[in-house]
Parts: sequence; structure tokens; C-alpha cells
Amino acid sequence: SQQGEEDPQALSIQEGENATMNCSYKTSINNLQWYRQNSGRGLVHLILIRSNEREKHSGRLRVTLDTSKKSSSLLITASRAADTASYFCATPPQETSGSRLTFGEGTQLTVNP
Amino acid sequence: DGGITQSPKYLFRKEGQNVTLSCEQNLNHDAMYWYRQDPGQGLRLIYYSQIVNDFQKGDIAEGYSVSREKKESFPLTVTSAQKNPTAFYLCATRTSGGTDTQYFGPGTRLTVL
Repeated sequence: SQQGEEDPQALSIQEGENATMNCSYKTSINNLQWYRQNSGRGLVHLILIRSNEREKHSGRLRVTLDTSKKSSSLLITASRAADTASYFCATPPQETSGSRLTFGEGTQLTVNP
Repeated sequence: DGGITQSPKYLFRKEGQNVTLSCEQNLNHDAMYWYRQDPGQGLRLIYYSQIVNDFQKGDIAEGYSVSREKKESFPLTVTSAQKNPTAFYLCATRTSGGTDTQYFGPGTRLTVL
């Protein structure tokens, strides 16, 4: 099974609302990353949070990490139609850090104008 | 997508034919990766290379082959042994040292007719 699993699988909200996506993982990690993918395009890195951090902000993005629960959440505030995309969490397991990432199944976010 | 090119964008193949997908980067990154993405799914790692003339199998390497003769190039060959090759293929790179952040190309959509 995937190292990272996102929840929910799909989310539909109105413009201006906040969107929260969750990610759970299984093994110890050095960091956790969130990526965005617009339909039919490559992934774009959004934010990285290290295992010794609990919260990180970047513009309208807020990421939290709870290593005791092996979970992370991505909050997008004041969403816009342009935020419509799939969002993936990705983790490099500690023992393979520096070589590969394991991606979750993703959350499909739709922001309705 | 800047700095990583994948060609072609769309590729059609008849059953039983081998086909090679191109991935070129000008980011001077050491590591390169190939992922497969099926509709509505996450990314699965096919092969990766951390240095020229060396590469490792990922989670779904059967039916695929790669080479890494130059730092800038990491072509992926989908062979006739791959039973279900229709998918979206993504190439990514990562710089050595620093974080585990990966940078993605725009992808190639392969369809077997």
C-alpha cells in the first residue's frame, strides 16, 4: 500500500472557502512534501515540512505535521478557481532519504466560482 | 516544468512495439526519476538514477528499461513485455544534497492502440 494516503479523495468547495486535505503515512520520515498537479500536467512542489517542525506557512498554504500520529494536513485559505487541481503528499522514508519519494493517491480539489 | 522537457507530449503505439520516451534536463541535477500515473491514481516509481551510468529499479520496473549515459538525459523504453502500458509518464529530477524536492517535466501520455 502507499506510504502516503490522502483524505478525502475528492473535495468540492466554493471560491473563498478554505480547503483542508489530510495525509497519513506509515514509516518514520525526515520530511513530508506537498505537490500540486493540474490536469494533464506535471507536478509542482508546494511546500516541505521537516520532521522537527509542527507547522509551516507559505502564502495561502498552511501545513501541519504530527509525527506521533504520522499525519499531515494541507490547508488552502480563501480558495480560488485556479486552485482546482490534485494535491499529493510525498515522503522520503528515513532509510532511503535522498533517493526516492513515495506519493499518496492524491486529493482532487474542485473550487467552484 | 521549466528546465525539464519530455517528448513527445502524446504517443501512440501498436501492441508489440517498443517505444522510447525522452526526458532531458538543463538543471544540472544529478538524480532523475521515471513515474507512471494511471487515471485518478498517484505516482508509481519505475526507475531512478542518482548518477550517470547507474540506475535502480523502482516499484514497477518490469517491462521497462532505461539508460543514463549523460547527466542531462534519462530515456525510458517501454517494451512489448509491459502488459498494460497505456498511462501518463512523468520524469523528475532532484539536485544532490539539500532537500528531497523533485522537479517534474510536463509528462508524456502513451496510448497503446
